[in-house]
Amino acid sequence: RKEVEQDPGPFNVPEGATVAFNCTYSNSASQSFFWYRQDCRKEPKLLMSVYSSGNEDGRFTAQLNRASQYISLLIRDSKLSDSATYLCVVKASSASKIIFGSGTRLSIRP
Amino acid sequence: EAGVTQFPSHSVIEKGQTVTLRCDPISGHDNLYWYRRVMGKEIKFLLHFVKESKQDESGMPNNRFLAERTGGTYSTLKVQPAELEDSGVYFCASSLAAGGVAYNEQFFGPGTRLTVL
Repeated sequence: RKEVEQDPGPFNVPEGATVAFNCTYSNSASQSFFWYRQDCRKEPKLLMSVYSSGNEDGRFTAQLNRASQYISLLIRDSKLSDSATYLCVVKASSASKIIFGSGTRLSIRP
Repeated sequence: EAGVTQFPSHSVIEKGQTVTLRCDPISGHDNLYWYRRVMGKEIKFLLHFVKESKQDESGMPNNRFLAERTGGTYSTLKVQPAELEDSGVYFCASSLAAGGVAYNEQFFGPGTRLTVL
């Protein structure tokens, strides 16, 4: 079983739609959680950290469910520029390496 | 401020040859990481430097891979001899600090696409 699992997609949604991705992690001791965005043939870039209480950044909302060991990302009013691969990232502790999921591909159509 | 840079952007070599990848982290970042993404797989951690010291090299696949960071500035990752399965994209990342409870964002370089024929 992979340490971080994501639905690879692709998710193909119309502009303006709301889309949500989930990610599950296997290590119950994990402490830090993030969503990264990666455009085609580009490097990953941090989109947002995920906090226990949930957090929002504009059209993006991240949630963490420690009991079920999953993280979610909600994108509202999707834009064409949101098309990318979204990577779920988990860190067991402050000193440990980060673990990437394989990513969920999102394609926004006009 | 310049971001993380990597050289070369692409490298095509034959099996058995040697390749050296270079990463220049953001100035002042003590932490430097190497990652690799092979076709169809997730990005995987290779190793982590704190300044010139290897903090964690648990992700290095085998002894054909050698990473160095002399002087605690730029880093090199040498593959010798290269095998077909080494093909992939090698990313470097740097962060200001890695300790403490708060996460310190890792900034990624554009990657080096390595193809071993």
